[in-house]
Amino acid sequence: GAGVSQSPRYKVAKRGQDVALRCDPISGHVSLFWYQQALGQGPEFLTYFQNEAQLDKSGLPSDRFFAERPEGSVSTLKIQRTQQEDSAVYLCASSLGTVRNTGELFFGEGSRLTVL
Amino acid sequence: AQSVSQHNHHVILSEAASLELGCNYSYGGTVNLFWYVQYPGQHLQLLLKYFSGDPLVKGIKGFEAEFIKSKFSFNLRKPSVQWSDTAEYFCAVNTPNTGFQKLVFGTGTRLLVSP
Repeated sequence: GAGVSQSPRYKVAKRGQDVALRCDPISGHVSLFWYQQALGQGPEFLTYFQNEAQLDKSGLPSDRFFAERPEGSVSTLKIQRTQQEDSAVYLCASSLGTVRNTGELFFGEGSRLTVL
Repeated sequence: AQSVSQHNHHVILSEAASLELGCNYSYGGTVNLFWYVQYPGQHLQLLLKYFSGDPLVKGIKGFEAEFIKSKFSFNLRKPSVQWSDTAEYFCAVNTPNTGFQKLVFGTGTRLLVSP
């Protein structure tokens, strides 16, 4: 496909379960971002990759959150021991170059996580 | 830390009405500014951006925004809205603090245009 693809689109987890969310960026895009969007809020930055290097993970809310992009393409956001406050839409975005130069992020449709 | 304020959370307009959505940011230095839009059932997409130069920026679908540095504002405008403009609009900023990589978003404004 031509756009950013995320899976699963919807995930229901029981509190304490581990979840993994996948992002397939647009082919050839160097930069990849994860954002968290709670209900009624704007997206909040979680982490950023340039190729396989995780350059900024300052937005990850706790050590239960972990992201990887081992081959510089597909990325996975893993949440361990999920809590109710983790319920949100997790957005992945990619950019052809650096956002500094291109200014445009291409977003996926998001993975909606509900923790019961 | 920088922040973005969108004071109008919900706006309801009739078709052909003029639109102005407010956006204020808190950062005193150089900024890049963006408006993103999310149509119902779709992903976020870029509407327009400001890096430098002419403070009046024109985007897609007849939208424009004006950067007023003295007011720390980047308001979005459209002279005549259409029903298809119904969407949620997000203002965003990035700054040198993060190498202009990380976007900080506002909380969004939901626009409903009635036919």
